[in-house]
Amino acid sequence: DAGVIQSPRHEVTEMGQEVTLRCKPISGHDYLFWYRQTMMRGLELLIYFNNNVPIDDSGMPEDRFSAKMPNASFSTLKIQPSEPRDSAVYFCASSPLYMNTEAFFGQGTRLTVV
Amino acid sequence: DQQVKQNSPSLSVQEGRISILNCDYTNSMFDYFLWYKKYPAEGPTFLISISSIKDKNEDGRFTVFLNKSAKHLSLHIVPSQPGDSAVYFCAATPNTGKLIFGQGTTLQVKP
Repeated sequence: DAGVIQSPRHEVTEMGQEVTLRCKPISGHDYLFWYRQTMMRGLELLIYFNNNVPIDDSGMPEDRFSAKMPNASFSTLKIQPSEPRDSAVYFCASSPLYMNTEAFFGQGTRLTVV
Repeated sequence: DQQVKQNSPSLSVQEGRISILNCDYTNSMFDYFLWYKKYPAEGPTFLISISSIKDKNEDGRFTVFLNKSAKHLSLHIVPSQPGDSAVYFCAATPNTGKLIFGQGTTLQVKP
């Protein structure tokens, strides 16, 4: 398996534009996580899914953020409209169904909103 | 509300010496703890974990200690090597699948 795949690796956009980040989890993994890395909060959990169903979205900062998982092999994180303070590295991770095991991370998307 | 805290943003040690990275948590429901390592421009990678039924887990140069009464865990790296220079994240889960991370500690190992 190629691991968790995120696209794009880098995204530069203007304030007010819509941004869509994409993630392909490892095949067979039932959990999918979206994290945002910031200096202050480290790896901040935004939302996670179990079997394509959103379980906890309490970390989503504002209504401008939304995430979907239409099937087991694809998820998106959308920001609309984007703001400069959204600039960060966004990571997607997946883990197997059974508990107490590690999550595997993608390489991240570096988002810059100007 | 930061449930997992790494209060030291950075740590610098000499090659060959011991590196000790610390992590505190507030949620008593956490029952599984992990350490991840992250190099620049890469995603975090799993390093070592420990279940709440243990107080120590060792894997080569890496040992994780868990003190449940103090809600504290630490990662020991002995001996430290320059290739260990990275950001280290502590994480915890309450056995629901939800994985919560700390702020990270940047370790620099000097030759």
